[in-house]
Amino acid sequence: DAGVIQSPRHEVTEMGQEVTLRCKPISGHDYLFWYRQTMMRGLELLIYFNNNVPIDDSGMPEDRFSAKMPNASFSTLKIQPSEPRDSAVYFCASSFNFDYNEQFFGPGTRLTVL
Amino acid sequence: GNSVTQMEGPVTLSEEAFLTINCTYTATGYPSLFWYVQYPGEGLQLLLKATKADDKGSNKGFEATYRKETTSFHLEKGSVQVSDSAVYFCALRDAGGTSYGKLTFGQGTILTVHP
Repeated sequence: DAGVIQSPRHEVTEMGQEVTLRCKPISGHDYLFWYRQTMMRGLELLIYFNNNVPIDDSGMPEDRFSAKMPNASFSTLKIQPSEPRDSAVYFCASSFNFDYNEQFFGPGTRLTVL
Repeated sequence: GNSVTQMEGPVTLSEEAFLTINCTYTATGYPSLFWYVQYPGEGLQLLLKATKADDKGSNKGFEATYRKETTSFHLEKGSVQVSDSAVYFCALRDAGGTSYGKLTFGQGTILTVHP
């Protein structure tokens, strides 16, 4: 298996623009997680899905952030409009079981908002 | 709420030196504990884990023991290599309450090993 795939790997955009980050989880995994990593706040869970359904979005920082999972093999995290403070590395992770199995992380998308 | 505190980095060592990265936690119930490693340009990978008190997780020469009495899960390796240079994250997974199943990460510790 190719592992968790994220695209793009790097994104540079200007303040106010819409940004869409993409994730393909490992086949067969029924949980998908979006994390954000910054120097100031470390690694934070934004939202997670089970069987394509959002379960907990309490970590989503603002209404400017939204996430979808239209099918088992694809998820998006959208920021509209983007702001400089959104600059971070965004990770997607997937797992087969929420409680007991490890989460497999993608390589991350480094977002820079100018 | 849950929290994980790691020792401040960065940590710089010479090859074959002994490594300790301290990790302490605060959690409700009986969490599972993890160490993840992040190599440059990559995502996090699970290094080792322990699911109950006094368990020892080990992998690739790294070890950590779940100490409930001191709420600690320190990472150790007897002889580090240049290839161990990475960022190390301590994490817990809560076993109950509103945070059930979620991972809480420490801030990460940057390790650099010189030849």
